[in-house]
Amino acid sequence: NAGVIQTPRHKVTGKGQEATLWCEPISGHSAVFWYRQTIVQGLEFLTYFRNQAPIDDSGMPKERFSAQMPNQSHSTLKIQSTQPQDSAVYLCASSPPGRNSDYTFGSGTRLLVI
Amino acid sequence: AQKVTQTQTSISVMEKTTVTMDCVYETRDSSYFLFWYKQTASGEIVFLIRQDSYKKENATEGHYSLNFQKPKSSIGLIITATQIEDSAVYFCAMRENTEGADRLTFGKGTQLIIQP
Repeated sequence: NAGVIQTPRHKVTGKGQEATLWCEPISGHSAVFWYRQTIVQGLEFLTYFRNQAPIDDSGMPKERFSAQMPNQSHSTLKIQSTQPQDSAVYLCASSPPGRNSDYTFGSGTRLLVI
Repeated sequence: AQKVTQTQTSISVMEKTTVTMDCVYETRDSSYFLFWYKQTASGEIVFLIRQDSYKKENATEGHYSLNFQKPKSSIGLIITATQIEDSAVYFCAMRENTEGADRLTFGKGTQLIIQP
């Protein structure tokens, strides 16, 4: 079990460019979560999927952020027209069924928008 | 809405001592789950221990244990016999036990420094 795999580990984009972040959850985990971590805001929830269906995207900046889970083996987070304030570590986590289940986090993608 | 607060920004203790990190939470639900995670210097976040709100016994896992005080909405993490490698940022998190409430809400974290 390789754990939750996130690619790339680091990404540098110019302001206004698009960034796509990838996440491969643990096989058999039914839920996939995306969080953003910054020094100021800490761990902020963005969105999550259960059994590939989008359940809650209340944390997503609506205009430029989107997330998809086209199959059970991967999810993507896309940021259009990136801005310097989007610079953060983007974390993906997955968990098995059950509300008492813990998350397994990926190593994160460190996004820097210059 | 649920909220998790960790008031201690940073704690420094000597190796082999016991340390307690505080966490208080807010929820309208009578049933919920509380978690503690550790983030190492490399950025890796790992699950440490969980407390189910309906259980009166404090959870324990290795040299981690919890001090669950439900009337005070408090869930403290206790680490005994601390080691240098326990130096990390510790996050408290909560999940309500209601349909659709799968996401965890995290506190801002407490940095623990273990001195030799």
